[in-house]
Amino acid sequence: DTEVTQTPKHLVMGMTNKKSLKCEQHMGHRAMYWYKQKAKKPPELMFVYSYEKLSINESVPSRFSPECPNSSLLNLHLHALQPEDSALYLCASSHDVGGGLRYEQYFGPGTRLTVT
Amino acid sequence: GENVEQHPSTLSVQEGDSAVIKCTYSDSASNYFPWYKQELGKGPQLIIDIRSNVGEKKDQRIAVTLNKTAKHFSLHITETQPEDSAVYFCAAMRRTGTASKLTFGTGTRLQVTL
Repeated sequence: DTEVTQTPKHLVMGMTNKKSLKCEQHMGHRAMYWYKQKAKKPPELMFVYSYEKLSINESVPSRFSPECPNSSLLNLHLHALQPEDSALYLCASSHDVGGGLRYEQYFGPGTRLTVT
Repeated sequence: GENVEQHPSTLSVQEGDSAVIKCTYSDSASNYFPWYKQELGKGPQLIIDIRSNVGEKKDQRIAVTLNKTAKHFSLHITETQPEDSAVYFCAAMRRTGTASKLTFGTGTRLQVTL
């Protein structure tokens, strides 16, 4: 089973709202990722968590705040977003990070975010 | 950082024909090259991958080749079917400290016509 689940599937929020995206995997993977994907573009890496610690932040604005409560869960907290932040937000996970050999990344279905 | 170029951006083939998508990468430290298929409204699905110590890998109708010297790799789909229609992304992975980073190509929209 290589399933990564994400909720909600769709989210519409105003620029003053606070919302959270959730991601979950039960494959025992120790690395989890957030990507942003604009229409007709490839996914762009935002954050990497390795063993529940933030390993990579790709200079993402602070209005995006990731959180990894445990090895199966990943959240992305959103606050004061701009219309240009509208995109598909993808979560992914992999078994190993860096030094291991099992680093295939499996993606969830994404959350379609619209900022009005 | 890593830069991955992908060609063509669109590809139309007739059902039963073969399709080939090519990618080049810039960072010789990249050592893992997955291919993803993304259907409309869905997340990317890993369909095949290859590691830098392997030159070719095949899984039924799908094959991937890697030329480390030239820093390019290709996806080959034989006997295409309408359900192969999707956007395909190549990617290159390199380690950075305790994490690994995937850099994606720009994508190829494959259309298989009847």
